[in-house]
Amino acid sequence: AQTVTQSQPEMSVQEAETVTLSCTYDTSESNYYLFWYKQPPSRQMILVIRQEAYKQQNATENRFSVNFQKAAKSFSLKISDSQLGDTAMYFCASLNDYKLSFGAGTTVTVRA
Amino acid sequence: DTGVSQDPRHKITKRGQNVTFRCDPISEHNRLYWYRQTLGQGPEFLTYFQNEAQLEKSRLLSDRFSAERPKGSFSTLEIQRTEQGDSAMYLCASSLNAYEQYFGPGTRLTVT
Repeated sequence: AQTVTQSQPEMSVQEAETVTLSCTYDTSESNYYLFWYKQPPSRQMILVIRQEAYKQQNATENRFSVNFQKAAKSFSLKISDSQLGDTAMYFCASLNDYKLSFGAGTTVTVRA
Repeated sequence: DTGVSQDPRHKITKRGQNVTFRCDPISEHNRLYWYRQTLGQGPEFLTYFQNEAQLEKSRLLSDRFSAERPKGSFSTLEIQRTEQGDSAMYLCASSLNAYEQYFGPGTRLTVT
């Protein structure tokens, strides 16, 4: 079984600033995928960024980037130049075969 | 753009009643997943279909739960004799491959 831990229930950030969300995971797989999903209030979950474990280079998608530390089993998400539309719940997830295992989530609030 | 759709979006039912939810995946996606999300938590895997074959059911899916995907297109999730503990958001996702699952808006079930 895979477990994903997000230790920050809530984070607040000023608009245009940077916030980093932490995530640790546990897996016995040698190759796996990690994800960050965003769930805005009352809206559906969307994929923010994906990392393949065998790739050493950290994934980047526009203002979103990850810091993937394979040995430490750590997978943090950095949101740069935060925008009001980034306000949402963020979930870290790992893929085991075809099943996603999610952390408990971090609520991010961007302040104007 | 037709993403994953779910119907109904909200369902309020009395304890003991049966409910059925529908999920329409993205048209070319052969994989379909159901997850359950309780308030303040990340989604938990329930079941997985590849085409019309149900390949896995989580232990979370008690005998009161049944899911079908009769023609490999839409899927239904039925809960019989609902209990208050069944109150949750039921999420459907679909994909062409395992590592890019697209989620629907969910069906929020409230059992009174």
